[in-house]
Amino acid sequence: GAVVSQHPSRVICKSGTSVKIECRSLDFQATTMFWYRQFPKKSLMLMATSNEGSKATYEQGVEKDKFLINHASLTLSTLTVTSAHPEDSSFYICSAREGQGDYNEQFFGPGTRLTVL
Amino acid sequence: GQNIDQPTEMTATEGAIVQINCTYQTSGFNGLFWYQQHAGEAPTFLSYNVLDGLEEKGRFSSFLSRSKGYSYLLLKELQMKDSASYLCAVTDSNYQLIWGAGTKLIIKP
Repeated sequence: GAVVSQHPSRVICKSGTSVKIECRSLDFQATTMFWYRQFPKKSLMLMATSNEGSKATYEQGVEKDKFLINHASLTLSTLTVTSAHPEDSSFYICSAREGQGDYNEQFFGPGTRLTVL
Repeated sequence: GQNIDQPTEMTATEGAIVQINCTYQTSGFNGLFWYQQHAGEAPTFLSYNVLDGLEEKGRFSSFLSRSKGYSYLLLKELQMKDSASYLCAVTDSNYQLIWGAGTKLIIKP
């Protein structure tokens, strides 16, 4: 199956700093990428959907100025958590989809565990 | 609103069979996915159903009834490594994935 990589896998940062997480589709072109966060023992919560070359669509309640998403190419999307605070500590997962309609599975990256001290 | 319901937790015995149910009410339907997620890891794809009926894939099978808004994931010959959360997700009319909260499956020897 298709492979999606995510970097870094773990990051610990101080409160007030910014953290960038990269999501790459390694063997296919991702027209759409999704960013999720997941709290312990909870399901995935969609944060935003990004299409290559256009602005991301954020879900209700997600601050777009705090969670900056850039989908600069068909194989790379980045999520920047700006001025991170301890409540931003979570598991962040990206997924990528090749097309739309019919059967288009989302392929998930391995996730990034962010801890803000 | 959009809603997906699945049991929070289930327990089964190694070697046995377990069925995890999922019911959904969504704005449109373009397919239903089942994912497996081990603790601390990203979800991995198990199955996809868009037509009514049973899809079998090794020890795992998935069933869909669109008229009833119902699906189940059937796991046979359970192994300890099957202990994980199982997530049901439905693609709505906008091709957005709507996620269930997941069912934590505990396998006992």
